[in-house]
Amino acid sequence: AQKITQTQPGMFVQEKEAVTLDCTYDTSDPSYGLFWYKQPSSGEMIFLIYQGSYDQQNATEGRYSLNFQKARKSANLVISASQLGDSAMYFCALPDDKLIFGTGTRLQVFP
Amino acid sequence: NAGVTQTPKFRVLKTGQSMTLLCAQDMNHEYMYWYRQDPGMGLRLIHYSVGEGTTAKGEVPDGYNVSRLKKQNFLLGLESAAPSQTSVYFCASSLTSGIGAYEQYFGPGTRLTVT
Repeated sequence: AQKITQTQPGMFVQEKEAVTLDCTYDTSDPSYGLFWYKQPSSGEMIFLIYQGSYDQQNATEGRYSLNFQKARKSANLVISASQLGDSAMYFCALPDDKLIFGTGTRLQVFP
Repeated sequence: NAGVTQTPKFRVLKTGQSMTLLCAQDMNHEYMYWYRQDPGMGLRLIHYSVGEGTTAKGEVPDGYNVSRLKKQNFLLGLESAAPSQTSVYFCASSLTSGIGAYEQYFGPGTRLTVT
């Protein structure tokens, strides 16, 4: 069965520093992908980044990048130069015929 | 282009009452989903649909029914609300699924309280 695990319920980071949010997964599919979503306190789900297992290079979208390590079955989100507006819940998700979400990590950025 | 919209945004029900949540998307997406989000639980899939006229159970389907009579609409029904159904409900849609699902588009959520 597909499974997503986020082991960090909360993280703190100082503004302008980089932070890594962990995500590990388990799937029997030979081809798969991983999503990251951001959920600010306002509640909406915001798509951040996606990478497929067949992609040769780690995905990047502005200050977001995926540290994808297939041997370790991990797909960690790296946020560079954190901003106060990055404070939010972050969810990792594994697409199947639906989307399986992890329990999330609450990131708090302080000045 | 409104994306995914949900009606209503907030609702308070008494135990045993029924209601329907409406999700609409204007992106011609085939796949639509209903999730619930409880504190510390992430998002859990209730039901989903892979096309007009089809529905399938997700992880936590009990107590809910759905219908997809039109491609753009996905309705979530609670026949007899229970306090355990107090949650935030998110609808989402995507063009495809699986590894081709580059993005699921989410609605703004419906906050439901059952007293």
